[in-house]
Amino acid sequence: DADVTQTPRNRITKTGKRIMLECSQTKGHDRMYWYRQDPGLGLQLIYYSFDVKDINKGEISDGYSVSRQAQAKFSLSLESAIPNQTALYFCATSVGTGGRADTQYFGPGTRLTVL
Amino acid sequence: DQQVKQNSPSLSVQEGRISILNCDYTNSMFDYFLWYKKYPAEGPTFLISISSIKDKNEDGRFTVFLNKSAKHLSLHIVPSQPGDSAVYFCAASAMFSGSRLTFGEGTQLTVNP
Repeated sequence: DADVTQTPRNRITKTGKRIMLECSQTKGHDRMYWYRQDPGLGLQLIYYSFDVKDINKGEISDGYSVSRQAQAKFSLSLESAIPNQTALYFCATSVGTGGRADTQYFGPGTRLTVL
Repeated sequence: DQQVKQNSPSLSVQEGRISILNCDYTNSMFDYFLWYKKYPAEGPTFLISISSIKDKNEDGRFTVFLNKSAKHLSLHIVPSQPGDSAVYFCAASAMFSGSRLTFGEGTQLTVNP
């Protein structure tokens, strides 16, 4: 079984709809992240969470919200989806080593299309 | 501003030859660098990393070189294999940034048999 799972894997929705992307991990990691990937732009950080009570905005948080329901679960919501949120979304986890970077482990991604 | 740049969107090499992927950064606070590999329909997977206290790190066929004065790092794959065909992302982190990574745009490597 995959260590980091994302549901759904593909989603097509309409402008104005609320949508939630879910991420679960079995790695026991404290830190979780949400990224989006657009062609030619690499991965951009949306939100990150260092534990259940700690949630932080990333580079491009406008239009998104998150919920850390448990150590293993981190969901991303688009309250009112718009077409330019069409992208590939990745969840990632890391064990956390104080102030230093540590290796992040990614889920398989969710392809979201907003019509 | 793009703090981590991979100027080559694509690279094509012959099987058995060396692949060299390049990455430049502008933030002098970056002190830890990583390379990730991504296959289609999969998430990125960690490949190799290097701390700013080193100028080289090697793991099997993969070697990362860091030139701090030039703010440049490169990933060498020797020998290249068709299974190495993937998108490669360079990423960087700054001390006390709490493991936040800044990614480059990615380079599509194609290794031809």
